[in-house]
Amino acid sequence: SAVISQKPSRDICQRGTSLTIQCQVDSQVTMMFWYRQQPGQSLTLIATANQGSEATYESGFVIDKFPISRPNLTFSTLTVSNMSPEDSSIYLCSVEGDSSNYGYTFGSGTRLTVV
Amino acid sequence: DAKTTQPPSMDCAEGRAANLPCNHSTISGNEYVYWYRQIHSQGPQYIIHGLKNNETNEMASLIITEDRKSSTLILPHATLRDTAVYYCIVRASFNTNAGKSTFGDGTTLTVKP
Repeated sequence: SAVISQKPSRDICQRGTSLTIQCQVDSQVTMMFWYRQQPGQSLTLIATANQGSEATYESGFVIDKFPISRPNLTFSTLTVSNMSPEDSSIYLCSVEGDSSNYGYTFGSGTRLTVV
Repeated sequence: DAKTTQPPSMDCAEGRAANLPCNHSTISGNEYVYWYRQIHSQGPQYIIHGLKNNETNEMASLIITEDRKSSTLILPHATLRDTAVYYCIVRASFNTNAGKSTFGDGTTLTVKP
């Protein structure tokens, strides 16, 4: 299955600033997914990023707050903009498995704390 | 994607089988059942998936009822390292470009010595 490198692994940020999270995959993938996991909660899908088109955002998430780039088939970034303490969460990227493994592969996550 | 229902928590004795149930009564014909687990807020890890037949791999077994409305993940000999949150999700298969999945609240399995 694909191997994902996600960074930073954690960060502490001041409110009002922005943080860009990077996700690098060791193989070409069509779709990449960005999730948020608030403390003690399950995963919530933020958006789906396809190469060559704009990301598709889920209800409750907007591009101005979470802009996403997908410049090629192995890389994506998620920016958390104008942060507030409510944005403190773990952010995870994910890709589809390959044809021999239908499951998703997840990055190790970015633990964000906004102070 | 269909919604799933899981008990919030379960305990299991070390060395015994852990049986984790999942209800997915609104599953449609082209949707698979997938199981993942998440340890200590790491990224979720794929365990197993199935359509209608029972499946087994080196990690676990998946039993799907004949009507496909529920399933059970079986960890045959649970160890302390199996303590995690287990998520059951349903989604269409890889090659339908269905893409996204919805994670429910999962079951927190605690394996006790």
